[in-house]
Amino acid sequence: QKEVEQNSGPLSVPEGAIASLNCTYSDRGSQSFFWYRQYSGKSPELIMSIYSNGDKEDGRFTAQLNKASQYVSLLIRDSQPSDSATYLCAVNMDGNTGKLIFGQGTTLQVKP
Amino acid sequence: GAGVSQTPSNKVTEKGKYVELRCDPISGHTALYWYRQSLGQGPEFLIYFQGTGAADDSGLPNDRFFAVRPEGSVSTLKIQRTERGDSAVYLCASSSGPEQFFGPGTRLTVL
Repeated sequence: QKEVEQNSGPLSVPEGAIASLNCTYSDRGSQSFFWYRQYSGKSPELIMSIYSNGDKEDGRFTAQLNKASQYVSLLIRDSQPSDSATYLCAVNMDGNTGKLIFGQGTTLQVKP
Repeated sequence: GAGVSQTPSNKVTEKGKYVELRCDPISGHTALYWYRQSLGQGPEFLIYFQGTGAADDSGLPNDRFFAVRPEGSVSTLKIQRTERGDSAVYLCASSSGPEQFFGPGTRLTVL
């Protein structure tokens, strides 16, 4: 069974802190990795994609990928209360179809 | 530009009824995906279209579920003889590359 695993949380951080969200995946051959943000009652919104080992930064967000360890993470710097949401890790384990396998999501709470 | 749209936003039906859920992808996106999300879970893949054809329908749970995309744009997910366990949010996504963009979803409730 191909899987993506995340700690469901909640992860609580104070405003201004760094939030670190983690994800592991089972298929070593996976090539594409995505982070989606989902506010309560809304649909997933793509915030980061990463395809190569290392770090990718976009504003306050940094995605980190380590294929050898089958690990992908998302760092949110200077966390704001508006960042409070569920963060979904998604992995494309089949490059032919683009089918995404999602983790169950980590709920982040940023406290003012 | 316009994003992915889905109709209806909410659908309440009775057990045993037939329902159709519609997805209108981002213009020019050739790939279209259907996912289903239950409370507290991540989206679960159902089916993938490339153009008009279903390239991967391995996620459809059983033969009560069927989807079409006859002209390579709008797609309809059809569920026959609905069961209470079909209650979920049905999400549609489209893409022109590796990144998928989701619509607002249809919340299906089977009573």
